[in-house]
Amino acid sequence: NAGVMQNPRHLVRRRGQEARLRCSPMKGHSHVYWYRQLPEEGLKFMVYLQKENIIDESGMPKERFSAEFPKEGPSILRIQQVVRGDSAAYFCASSPDRVFQPQHFGDGTRLSIL
Amino acid sequence: SQQGEEDPQALSIQEGENATMNCSYKTSINNLQWYRQNSGRGLVHLILIRSNEREKHSGRLRVTLDTSKKSSSLLITASRAADTASYFCATPPLTQGGSEKLVFGKGTKLTVNP
Repeated sequence: NAGVMQNPRHLVRRRGQEARLRCSPMKGHSHVYWYRQLPEEGLKFMVYLQKENIIDESGMPKERFSAEFPKEGPSILRIQQVVRGDSAAYFCASSPDRVFQPQHFGDGTRLSIL
Repeated sequence: SQQGEEDPQALSIQEGENATMNCSYKTSINNLQWYRQNSGRGLVHLILIRSNEREKHSGRLRVTLDTSKKSSSLLITASRAADTASYFCATPPLTQGGSEKLVFGKGTKLTVNP
């Protein structure tokens, strides 16, 4: 049973370009979460989605960032017009459709902005 | 804002010794979770303790929870070099709206020397 799959593992973009990060949750999981981690820091919550719905986006910057989890296909975190401060590791996690369950994490996408 | 705060920030021990890490949190919780992160990897769920539980065991792990002090501890007994990792506590704050986002501390970096 495959775990949470994130791709790409590493992504390099120049300032002003767009970054698209993909996450396929574990089989049977309908909840997806995105977190951002800076070096030597803990993870910071960005957005929580269920299929086709954004449940909580309280941690997501209001501009340039968007997320979706379509009926078919992976969840996408999209960062437009990237800036140097967007450099970080972005982790996706998933959980089943039952309350207060442990989250299963992917290995992250390391985004570097030149 | 930080919900969980781990203590100490870094811990270095010899193989075979026990390692104790502490976590404090701020708001009411349904449960508290501990995760491990190896360098360059995603987080791995270790153990979940519910707010009505005081102690929980899983293999060489022992977790305690004191809701009156809003604190938890993670004990790893008979440590091994493979236990070298960062350890995070995380809580889903009790909030309205059904969001199950996790709020993480900055972690304890554990080094187990062979």
